[in-house]
Amino acid sequence: QITLKESGPTLVKPTQTLSLTCTFSGFSLSTSGVGVGWIRQPPGKALEWLALIYWNDDKRYSPSLKRRLTVTKDTSKNQVVLTMTNMDPVDTATYYCAHDISGWYYLFDYWGQGTLVSVSS
Amino acid sequence: QSALTQPASVSGSPGQSITISCTGTSSDVGGYNYVSWFQQHPGKAPKLMIYDVSNRPSGVSNRFSGSKSGNTASLTISGLQAEDEADYYCSSYTRSSTCVFGTGTKVTVL
Repeated sequence: QITLKESGPTLVKPTQTLSLTCTFSGFSLSTSGVGVGWIRQPPGKALEWLALIYWNDDKRYSPSLKRRLTVTKDTSKNQVVLTMTNMDPVDTATYYCAHDISGWYYLFDYWGQGTLVSVSS
Repeated sequence: QSALTQPASVSGSPGQSITISCTGTSSDVGGYNYVSWFQQHPGKAPKLMIYDVSNRPSGVSNRFSGSKSGNTASLTISGLQAEDEADYYCSSYTRSSTCVFGTGTKVTVL
């Protein structure tokens, strides 16, 4: 059974750096074809893809946020970490991590419950 | 990259069929058969309903079906039920090797 869970601060100040951890079980990020992605959703708004890391350490980023994002994995801990710099109130959103089974084309079949991050001074 | 375009809302009566469109470009929806559809109930995480344009994951009702023509993908819900009331999002692989989601559609069961 695949499960994912996001964790991190619920409140960050503008200009600060956000670090979110996705802890998962039921699969390994050392298995060929597996990836973990990050998607966010501002309150009342649409989903927005942010980043993804694959089993082979291939990393992909949203073009509009690429300069601010870093995604890393710790295979031994079954964790993926997303870092977003220079946080702004418009980054207030629920952040989800999701399992990608496609190997390369973003097939998100399992999602975490999401974690709400608010950006405010 | 621009979000894929979906109608803001679609409604139907119980038992009816409704179709939600997802319009992109030849660089995303039109160029690849890698369109997914997600259902999201309020306060919940998205749930995969359709992948690779028209495939249903195990456990998803066969009342949900997907198709694509040109740059537009579609999700059809037949035999509409009260539990189908939710937000629906499409997503697609893009030529830039990135992912793009749709603007979302609120489905209301009258």
